[in-house]
Amino acid sequence: AQTVTQSQPEMSVQEAETVTLSCTYDTSESDYYLFWYKQPPSRQMILVIRQEAYKQQNATENRFSVNFQKAAKSFSLKISDSQLGDAAMYFCAYRTAEGAQKLVFGQGTRLTINP
Amino acid sequence: KAGVTQTPRYLIKTRGQQVTLSCSPISGHRSVSWYQQTPGQGLQFLFEYFSETQRNKGNFPGRFSGRQFSNSRSEMNVSTLELGDSALYLCASSFTSGPNEQFFGPGTRLTVL
Repeated sequence: AQTVTQSQPEMSVQEAETVTLSCTYDTSESDYYLFWYKQPPSRQMILVIRQEAYKQQNATENRFSVNFQKAAKSFSLKISDSQLGDAAMYFCAYRTAEGAQKLVFGQGTRLTINP
Repeated sequence: KAGVTQTPRYLIKTRGQQVTLSCSPISGHRSVSWYQQTPGQGLQFLFEYFSETQRNKGNFPGRFSGRQFSNSRSEMNVSTLELGDSALYLCASSFTSGPNEQFFGPGTRLTVL
C-alpha cells in the first residue's frame, strides 16, 4: 500500500520570504500523480499544484513550485514571496495513475505566515 | 460553473442513530469520492463511485456505505453511529481518470454525542 509522510507538523515563515514543505512517499508503482492541497480555516480543500510522475520537469504554478525527486520518492513544495493568504494546512497527496480516484494523504503541515 | 455542494453542512446525532450525507458533483463529473477527516487519523479515503458503481473502497467497516445516482449525485450513509465517527466528511468530484484534479466540496461536519 502507498504511504505519504510529511515530517513537519508545523512551519512558519516571514511574509515575503520563501518556505519549503517536505513530503516523502512510498510506492512500488512507476506511474502515479502527486499533489499538494491547501486547506485554509474554511476547510475548503484547494489544489495548489500537481506533478505527473512520468514528467521529469518540476511543476510550477506562479509562486508555487515543486522539487520532485522520483528516485528518492520526495516531493517538496516551495512557496516564494509568502503572503498572509498562504496560511493554511498543506497536504501532500498521492494517486495511482490506474483506475480509481483515490487520494492517499500525508498528515499535513500547518503553515503560519508572520507579518 | 457551480462547485461541489454538500448537504447538510453541519449535523449532530447521537450514538446508535444513522445519518445520510449528500454530495452534488460539478456538472459533467462522473466520479465522486468520499473522505473522512479527523484530528487523529487525518484524511482517509472512504470510497469512490463512478457511473453508479463503487470503484474503490477504503478500510472502513460495513457501517459506512454509499451510492451514486444516474445524475452523478452521491450519498453516503453511516449506520449505528459511534462517537469516533465524529469528523469532517469531504466529497470530491472529477472526470473519469488521468491527472484530472479532484474538486472538493466544503464538507459536512458530523458530531456524534
